[in-house]
Amino acid sequence: DQQVKQNSPSLSVQEGRISILNCDYTNSMFDYFLWYKKYPAEGPTFLISISSIKDKNEDGRFTVFLNKSAKHLSLHIVPSQPGDSAVYFCAASESGSGNTGKLIFGQGTTLQVKP
Amino acid sequence: DVKVTQSSRYLVKRTGEKVFLECVQDMDHENMFWYRQDPGLGLRLIYFSYDVKMKEKGDIPEGYSVSREKKERFSLILESASTNQTSMYLCASSKQGMGNQPQHFGDGTRLSIL
Repeated sequence: DQQVKQNSPSLSVQEGRISILNCDYTNSMFDYFLWYKKYPAEGPTFLISISSIKDKNEDGRFTVFLNKSAKHLSLHIVPSQPGDSAVYFCAASESGSGNTGKLIFGQGTTLQVKP
Repeated sequence: DVKVTQSSRYLVKRTGEKVFLECVQDMDHENMFWYRQDPGLGLRLIYFSYDVKMKEKGDIPEGYSVSREKKERFSLILESASTNQTSMYLCASSKQGMGNQPQHFGDGTRLSIL
């Protein structure tokens, strides 16, 4: 049972345009959401997060939007740069997991930004 | 900066061997995790630990075990390696408390079982 889903395996965007990566979840107990970026042969690096008490969080070129009623979050990258080409994972956790910090990850979306 | 170090970047082993993957973190994090990453399947949690000598099964623990004898070190053990355990293995750590905390990852071990 996939609780966090990234339905688009890949996305191609022109440099300078907006990249929108989407993520859906099924567990209404999730209250903390994160995006990670992964380059080949490296571990994932934390990009941005959002708590369920917010609907938007912004950090430079990266903005995450959360729609709790739709159980949907998205990552916007504006403007997109070739260095943003990577695999992006969304992840979620629930406070009920206590202090274990356990995350549930989506399948990942490969973003290609063309010069 | 958090540093999570995995002992090997690439490893080749034979079917039936006992394989040890080591992970060390230097930020005094309570939580540590082992994942495997496979194309189209994302990151799947194998085991995690929230304290020394404590361990909990993740989503795919079959064929694996773990050891956490010291706070900074978390080992993943493949009891009898099989070809379907060929994968990228990722270790992560995170701090407890202080609200939600992101996990920090090592660079991964690419394991091939022949």
